[in-house]
Amino acid sequence: DAGVIQSPRHEVTEMGQEVTLRCKPISGHDYLFWYRQTMMRGLELLIYFNNNVPIDDSGMPEDRFSAKMPNASFSTLKIQPSEPRDSAVYFCASSFPREQVGGEAFFGQGTRLTVV
Amino acid sequence: AQKVTQAQTEISVVEKEDVTLDCVYETRDTTYYLFWYKQPPSGELVFLIRRNSFDEQNEISGRYSWNFQKSTSSFNFTITASQVVDSAVYFCALNTGTASKLTFGTGTRLQVTL
Repeated sequence: DAGVIQSPRHEVTEMGQEVTLRCKPISGHDYLFWYRQTMMRGLELLIYFNNNVPIDDSGMPEDRFSAKMPNASFSTLKIQPSEPRDSAVYFCASSFPREQVGGEAFFGQGTRLTVV
Repeated sequence: AQKVTQAQTEISVVEKEDVTLDCVYETRDTTYYLFWYKQPPSGELVFLIRRNSFDEQNEISGRYSWNFQKSTSSFNFTITASQVVDSAVYFCALNTGTASKLTFGTGTRLQVTL
């Protein structure tokens, strides 16, 4: 398996523009997570899905952030409009239920977002 | 609420030294999982180990070993005979729900020099 695939790897955009981050989870995984990593706040969970349904979006910072999972093999995280404080590395991860073998989360390589 | 504390912000060792990274966690749940992840300079997060709350056996994998002690709510990670390639940020994480959503510690940056 190719692992969790995120695109783009790097994104530089101007303040006010819409940004869309993409993720392809590992095939067969039930759960998909979006995390954000910043120097100030470390690694924090934004939202997660179970079988394509959003379960907990309490970590989404503002209404400017939205996430979708239209099918089991694709998810997007959208920021509209983007702001400089959104600059961070965004990770997507997927997993089986934690009680199962392989219940650990496997992470993509991340998207480094810079908003200027 | 769940919390993970990695008190060591940065550790520097010389190659071949042993080093222990500390992790202390807080949770009221009786069933939980603990994890260690490695983040090398390239930036990806690499899974190292998972431990559930009912299994206090220590584990060894090559030069890596983990010491889980429920009595002190600790899950420490030791690298024996460290190598330059071990240089990375190491994160301890806690999961208490059905899903594998993780609460991360702030990480310990390990620098191994020749």
